[in-house]
Amino acid sequence: AQKVTQAQTEISVVEKEDVTLDCVYETRDTTYYLFWYKQPPSGELVFLIRRNSFDEQNEISGRYSWNFQKSTSSFNFTITASQVVDSAVYFCALSEGQAGTALIFGKGTTLSVSS
Amino acid sequence: DVKVTQSSRYLVKRTGEKVFLECVQDMDHENMFWYRQDPGLGLRLIYFSYDVKMKEKGDIPEGYSVSREKKERFSLILESASTNQTSMYLCASSPDRDRAYNQPQHFGDGTRLSIL
Repeated sequence: AQKVTQAQTEISVVEKEDVTLDCVYETRDTTYYLFWYKQPPSGELVFLIRRNSFDEQNEISGRYSWNFQKSTSSFNFTITASQVVDSAVYFCALSEGQAGTALIFGKGTTLSVSS
Repeated sequence: DVKVTQSSRYLVKRTGEKVFLECVQDMDHENMFWYRQDPGLGLRLIYFSYDVKMKEKGDIPEGYSVSREKKERFSLILESASTNQTSMYLCASSPDRDRAYNQPQHFGDGTRLSIL
């Protein structure tokens, strides 16, 4: 069965600190997809990144970077030089590569960045 | 730009009422989803639909039903609201039925529903 674990419920940092949000997943499939979403206080979930199981390259987008390691079933998200606007709930999600399946979300990590 | 619109941001209803939550998307997406979000539990899938008049149960369908009469609209119905259905409800959509598993979902702003 699929499962996504975000062990960190809440993280608090001060502006300009780097922070890593952990995501560990379980799946029996060899083809699967991983996602990260951001939910700011306004409520709408915003898509950040998608990664398929065959692409283990790390990705960087501005201050955001993602580290995908199949060996440890992890897909961690790092924010460099955090800012107050990064304060949000972040969700990791998993989908197996089959028609008819939906996303399985982790429980989310609440990040608070203070000035 | 992709737009998913939920009819209400905040809603207060009474126990036993029939409650309708409406969601409309303007991207001609085939797939639509309803989730509820509770503290410490994350997002849980209630129902989803890959086509008009088609529905599939998610992880927690009990106490809910859905309706999809038109492609752009997906309604969540609480047949007889109870206090344990007080929650944040999120609607989402994604483009293609056959590739729903690898497509990002686009979310609405959510409806915070309180059942008194």
